[in-house]
Amino acid sequence: NAGVTQTPKFQVLKTGQSMTLQCAQDMNHEYMSWYRQDPGMGLRLIHYSVGAGITDQGEVPNGYNVSRSTTEDFPLRLLSAAPSQTSVYFCASQPTGGSDYGYTFGSGTRLTVV
Amino acid sequence: GEDVEQSLFLSVREGDSSVINCTYTDSSSTYLYWYKQEPGAGLQLLTYIFSNMDMKQDQRLTVLLNKKDKHLSLRIADTQTGDSAIYFCADSGYSTLTFGKGTMLLVSP
Repeated sequence: NAGVTQTPKFQVLKTGQSMTLQCAQDMNHEYMSWYRQDPGMGLRLIHYSVGAGITDQGEVPNGYNVSRSTTEDFPLRLLSAAPSQTSVYFCASQPTGGSDYGYTFGSGTRLTVV
Repeated sequence: GEDVEQSLFLSVREGDSSVINCTYTDSSSTYLYWYKQEPGAGLQLLTYIFSNMDMKQDQRLTVLLNKKDKHLSLRIADTQTGDSAIYFCADSGYSTLTFGKGTMLLVSP
């Protein structure tokens, strides 16, 4: 199994550009989430989904959109990139809510907005 | 909202025990997790404890939970240089995790 796959691994954007960070999992997990990690801030939740067709906002959703048309994929869209969105982005998945499996994380996308 | 707090830095010598502490505010937490992050990598699940347990041991790792004080700790026995990393405590709500800011563990030879 590949687990959670994130692409790209690195990206540089200019302010105002848009892009989509891809996340795919092959474990048939219902729950998926996007987090951003900034120095000294830990991981903060951007958006999450508890199943196909269901998404909700996390702690820091502004400037980001998500959709969940299939169980496997959970893309994160940056609508108009800003320097404040420079960060490392992690996608994660879990079979169901609160379980002993925990969340499985992808290896991250390092995004720089100039 | 929910909050998870950790000390930011811990330095130990190889062979010593390390204890990383965490406090959380959500009394409805079901699972509490410890994740490890090595430089430039994603997060790896180390261990977890269910909220009705006081202690869980997994090889060199011991997790203690004081539910009354909402205090969680991770003890690493015989700490090795390969244990140097950032350790995150995470509190499980129904559908998401709330993370602490992470404790950087530095193990010196």
